[in-house]
Order: sequence, then C-alpha cells, then structure tokens
Amino acid sequence: GNSVTQMEGPVTLSEEAFLTINCTYTATGYPSLFWYVQYPGEGLQLLLKATKADDKGSNKGFEATYRKETTSFHLEKGSVQVSDSAVYFCALGHSGGGADGLTFGKGTHLIIQP
Amino acid sequence: DAGVIQSPRHEVTEMGQEVTLRCKPISGHNSLFWYRQTMMRGLELLIYFNNNVPIDDSGMPEDRFSAKMPNASFSTLKIQPSEPRDSAVYFCASSLDQSPGTTQYFGPGTRLTVL
Repeated sequence: GNSVTQMEGPVTLSEEAFLTINCTYTATGYPSLFWYVQYPGEGLQLLLKATKADDKGSNKGFEATYRKETTSFHLEKGSVQVSDSAVYFCALGHSGGGADGLTFGKGTHLIIQP
Repeated sequence: DAGVIQSPRHEVTEMGQEVTLRCKPISGHNSLFWYRQTMMRGLELLIYFNNNVPIDDSGMPEDRFSAKMPNASFSTLKIQPSEPRDSAVYFCASSLDQSPGTTQYFGPGTRLTVL
C-alpha cells in the first residue's frame, strides 16, 4: 500500500540555518505530493505541492522537488526564521483521479532558536 | 472566506457517552474528509465523502464510529459508546473537486478527551 516516511525530529536549528527535511514515499502509479504545516493549536495548512515528476513546489521560501527516480520529496529552505517553528507533514494523494484521502508521514517537529 | 468550521473545539466526556463532532466545509467544495491525529499513529484518514456520498470508510476503526453528510454544508462524526482510546484530535477537511493534486483545506480540529 501507499506510505510516507519522514524524519520525526525534533529538529532544532538556529535562525538563518539551512533546512532539509527528508521525505520518501511508496506508492503505485503517479501520486501527487504535498507538504503541510501545523502551528501549535491549529489545523494543517498547505505549504506547497507537486503533481508530477520533476515539478518543484515552492512557497514562503520553502521548496521541494518531486523526484520519481528516488521516490522523494525533500523540503528545503535556505534561511529559517523563528516563525518557521512548527510541525511539518509530508503527504501523498493517490493517483488515478478522484479526491481521495491523503496518506501522511508522522510529522517532523521543527524548532528554530534565535 | 470562513474556511472549514468544526465544533466543538474541545470535548471532554466520560467513557460510554455518545460524542458528536460537527463540520461545515468550505462553500462550493464537494469533497469532505475526516482524519484522526494521535501521537502513536499520526494522522489517519477515517472516511471521505464526494457529493455527500460516503466513498471510503475503510479507515473507520470500528462500528462505534459513524459519519453522515446530510447535505453539502454539514457533516457529523459520531462515536457511540466512546472509549478512552478514542482520545485524539479529529480534523475535518474539504476540497473543491476530485482532480488529482487538489488541495485539501483543514479545519482547526476538535480535541476529544474520553475519561
């Protein structure tokens, strides 16, 4: 079946550091890939997405590239801020059409220290 | 836009009681999803609806759980009877259509505690 694996953390970085959160997936067909972010006490918000191989999603300085050959969708940011502290979820949407439910990774807790 | 609305935000109940969680999707969205989040299992899809019709309820843990969507603007998730292991945050999400890659918009969640 479909699955998503990501580093769980917590990941602690200093402000302005470079960020990478790894995400790999197992899926049949050609899924869409997502990164969602959850701030304390809130629901999940879409951060970025990619719907086909080699697509790059980007938003708020974050980027991730859909790599089919390595089944990966790693999240990167060149210079993190304290306000980026949150839990980040990698997710895949099933292929074949239809708004199916998402399969999520366990989430990575990111802590940015000033 | 109001976004996805869930109520209540917090619910504390005793084992054996009935619990009803409510969700109002974004107007115009035709797909609705219920997820459960726990520390042990992370985020799990429970059930989803397209055009008010349940499509896949394979994630519903057992018969104590049921979900309905009587119209395009309202859905409920009911647990009867509730048990302490049902304690979790329950999220509702909606999406505009059924195309691959469509974005799901999440509500703020209901934090359920069963004593």
